[in-house]
Amino acid sequence: EVQLVESGGGLVQPGGSLRLSCAASGFTFSNYEINWVRQAPGKGLEWVSYISSSGSTTYYADSVKGRFTISRDNAKNSLYLQMNSLRAEDTAVYYCARDRTPGYYYFDYWGQGTLVTVSS
Amino acid sequence: EIVLTQSPGTLSLSPGERATLSCRASQSISRSYLAWYQQKPGQAPRLLIYGASSRATGIPDRFSGSGSGTDFTLTISRLEPEDFAVYYCQQYGSSPPGLTFGGGTKVEIK
Repeated sequence: EVQLVESGGGLVQPGGSLRLSCAASGFTFSNYEINWVRQAPGKGLEWVSYISSSGSTTYYADSVKGRFTISRDNAKNSLYLQMNSLRAEDTAVYYCARDRTPGYYYFDYWGQGTLVTVSS
Repeated sequence: EIVLTQSPGTLSLSPGERATLSCRASQSISRSYLAWYQQKPGQAPRLLIYGASSRATGIPDRFSGSGSGTDFTLTISRLEPEDFAVYYCQQYGSSPPGLTFGGGTKVEIK
C-alpha cells in the first residue's frame, strides 16, 4: 500500500525556520517525482514545490522561492522541505503528493498533511 | 500563470441529483492537462480525474470529466451521500512552477 506520512509541523515565530519530512513506503520512491502542496486554514490548495525523482531538478512557487528548499534522500525514502524566514501567510497544512506519472504533474497519492502555524 | 475559476462556489443538491461543476481557465490548457480532486473535511485531496476525462483508479463511473481548451466540467451523475465534499480542478499544462488549482466548489446537501 502506498503511504506518504508527513511530520515536522508545529508553531513557529515569524522569521523562524522549520523542516518538514515526508516518509514514503509501498512504492519505489526513487522512481517518482514528489511535490509539496499547502492549504491555508479554510482556503484552497496551493502548489509549493517540486522535486524530480533523482533530486537534480527542483521548482518553487514564487511565494516561497528563496525561502524554502526541497530535497530528498532516496536511500531513506524521504522527502524534506526546509522552510526559512517564515511568515504568517505560510500558515497552512502542508501535504506531500506524488506525481502519478513522470512528467505529468498531477497527484495520485497524498499524505495526511502536517500543520504549520506561524505566529508570535 | 494560468488562473482557474471554478463555479459555482457552492452547489446545494439532494442525494440522487446530478451535479455539474465548472472550471474555466484564463488561457488554453495544453493537451487537456486538467485534473479534478475531491476533498472531505480533515482529509487530503483524492484524485478523481486526469487528462480532463480519464478516471483515476477506483473512482466510480458516476464521476465523469469533459472539456478542452479553457472550459472543463466535472459531472457527478447521481449524488451519493459520500460525494458531498469540496472539488478542486488543477491544470498541469504548464509545468512547474506553473501548476495552479482552482478555488474549489463545495457540493453540499440541500
